[in-house]
Amino acid sequence: AQTVTQSQPEMSVQEAETVTLSCTYDTSENNYYLFWYKQPPSRQMILVIRQEAYKQQNATENRFSVNFQKAAKSFSLKISDSQLGDTAMYFCALSNSGYALNFGKGTSLLVTP
Amino acid sequence: DAGVIQSPRHEVTEMGQEVTLRCKPISGHNSLFWYRQTMMRGLELLIYFNNNVPIDDSGMPEDRFSAKMPNASFSTLKIQPSEPRDSAVYFCASSLMGSGQHNYGYTFGSGTRLTVV
Repeated sequence: AQTVTQSQPEMSVQEAETVTLSCTYDTSENNYYLFWYKQPPSRQMILVIRQEAYKQQNATENRFSVNFQKAAKSFSLKISDSQLGDTAMYFCALSNSGYALNFGKGTSLLVTP
Repeated sequence: DAGVIQSPRHEVTEMGQEVTLRCKPISGHNSLFWYRQTMMRGLELLIYFNNNVPIDDSGMPEDRFSAKMPNASFSTLKIQPSEPRDSAVYFCASSLMGSGQHNYGYTFGSGTRLTVV
């Protein structure tokens, strides 16, 4: 069985500051993928970043980066230079090879001026 | 690329009526997923197709729910009869699963908000 845990239901950050969202997971597989999705009020699910478990290097996409700690089963998302448009629900998700996404409960992020 | 297309965007129906949600996946994607999102339960996988074949439907709540994928470019999720507790946002997502089950990521549609009154 796989589980994904996001321990921070809500967070807030000031514009231009940095914020880190936490995610831990559990899986018995060796080959798996981790994702962060953003869901703004429009409800569209937007892929933020993707990490392959067999890659040591942490994924980065512009202002978004992850800290992937495989042994600790931790996958946190860092947002640098936060912008008002980053306000959204953020979901951490896990997928074993060839299978569906298993989502955490989400973290609601509010970016304030 | 138009992305994953879902219709309708909103649906309001009376209890007991049949509801059909539609999804057109991204061309070339070989896997399709239906998810349900509620405040209480978050995002739940309902059913997963690979190459048009249902692989796992263990998330389908009960016999009132059924899903089909008659071809690579179309899928439906049907609820008959609908109940108020079925009110939720239903997402369709598609993905390309490569050789060795390499996972290239998932693209979601914009969802259908279903309200059963």
